[in-house]
Amino acid sequence: QSVLTQPPSVSGAPGQRVTISCTGSNSNIGATYDVHWYQQLPGTAPKLLIYGNSNRPSGVPDRFFGSQSGTSASLAISGLQAEDEAQYFCQSYDSSLSGYVFGSGTKVTVL
Amino acid sequence: QLQLQESGPGLVKPSETLSLTCTVSGGSISSTDYHWSWIRQPAGRGMEWIGSIDHSGSTFYNSSLKSRVTISVDTSKNLFSLKLRSATAADTAVYHCARYNTGVGNFDWWGQGTLVAVSS
Repeated sequence: QSVLTQPPSVSGAPGQRVTISCTGSNSNIGATYDVHWYQQLPGTAPKLLIYGNSNRPSGVPDRFFGSQSGTSASLAISGLQAEDEAQYFCQSYDSSLSGYVFGSGTKVTVL
Repeated sequence: QLQLQESGPGLVKPSETLSLTCTVSGGSISSTDYHWSWIRQPAGRGMEWIGSIDHSGSTFYNSSLKSRVTISVDTSKNLFSLKLRSATAADTAVYHCARYNTGVGNFDWWGQGTLVAVSS
């Protein structure tokens, strides 16, 4: 089981907004360690999508929005597009484990 | 543009050692700003950090795998390697190499991954 919990799947119609949650604990997200989000298109290398809870690397559209509160973080995708269909996962650091931890991953389907 | 490419056997027998290499191109593995990492993903499950190494050879391992893992770096060839001893079926996964950005705390470049199956 992954240390960070995500819903297995979310879906939405083109143009809609979807949100993916990432739930942790007081030894990772709740301890104010940053949350980062990655997008993995089928058959490709994971790509950094959001870093430091809410920052977008150059080239990532502003349709992707990250936030963090308490022991959880969220990734919102607005104006959903067919090209957004991918696996998304969160990542942080855990002080109890003294290591990097990942979410279980969420499959986004564009209906 | 930075590229990371995993290579190694796709099939390992139980109890043997799983060995993979990650070749880095488009950037120097000797940079002090990054750690070079291995991450794996069993089918249908989340990513699991295996360990990381810095340019000087200092290593950082997942405590659950530490007794079986060795990560090494060859700066002359711009590559780093993973050895996982006493492999079992539970080690079957897609193995990714990745660059960890120490300034921001994330994995900012990844290899595509290579599937390694542990089976007789």
